Amino acid sequence: SQQGEEDPQALSIQEGENATMNCSYKTSINNLQWYRQNSGRGLVHLILIRSNEREKHSGRLRVTLDTSKKSSSLLITASRAADTASYFCATARNQGAQKLVFGQGTRLTINP
Amino acid sequence: DGGITQSPKYLFRKEGQNVTLSCEQNLNHDAMYWYRQDPGQGLRLIYYSQIVNDFQKGDIAEGYSVSREKKESFPLTVTSAQKNPTAFYLCASTLAGGTDTQYFGPGTRLTVL
Repeated sequence: SQQGEEDPQALSIQEGENATMNCSYKTSINNLQWYRQNSGRGLVHLILIRSNEREKHSGRLRVTLDTSKKSSSLLITASRAADTASYFCATARNQGAQKLVFGQGTRLTINP
Repeated sequence: DGGITQSPKYLFRKEGQNVTLSCEQNLNHDAMYWYRQDPGQGLRLIYYSQIVNDFQKGDIAEGYSVSREKKESFPLTVTSAQKNPTAFYLCASTLAGGTDTQYFGPGTRLTVL
């Protein structure tokens, strides 16, 4: 079953604008991770945020985590054409099997 | 270069045939995973292995089988029992546990003719 749900399913913006994607989940987590997938390729890890963290930065990426609302957001600032990809959140649960559960993804298109 | 490789990149199968997808890693990772991705969808876990000679079923294991005889290798067999095998298959590995960062291979696209 899917734990994370991304919103929106698709997002199209102009180059230079900021892109925000959201992820909601259902159960308590150990950490939440964001991955990027270019068309027809494997996933690339972007950032991991632990349940006791609220915000994390990596270059043009900013991730927030609100455990009370069971939600996370990924912000990409000053978008570039190369950011065009699908973005997935994945949650690692606090208990049970040691595995990640992926959401359906947000398809981001950056228009030049 | 350290990394995770999958072969072949494209695979075509006739109905009723078993096929085996290769996944190899030289990252010295303990845990390895197989996922299935359908068009426009997220990843669904097929099987995972946290240590050599041990593996567990994921969410959609029916019609698939795996082995983990060596730390660096985790092949996936898609059997004839899998009714709808056409999909993109991704292999991943992680250093220790499943809650860590996962490193993905480039994927194998399987098409049933």
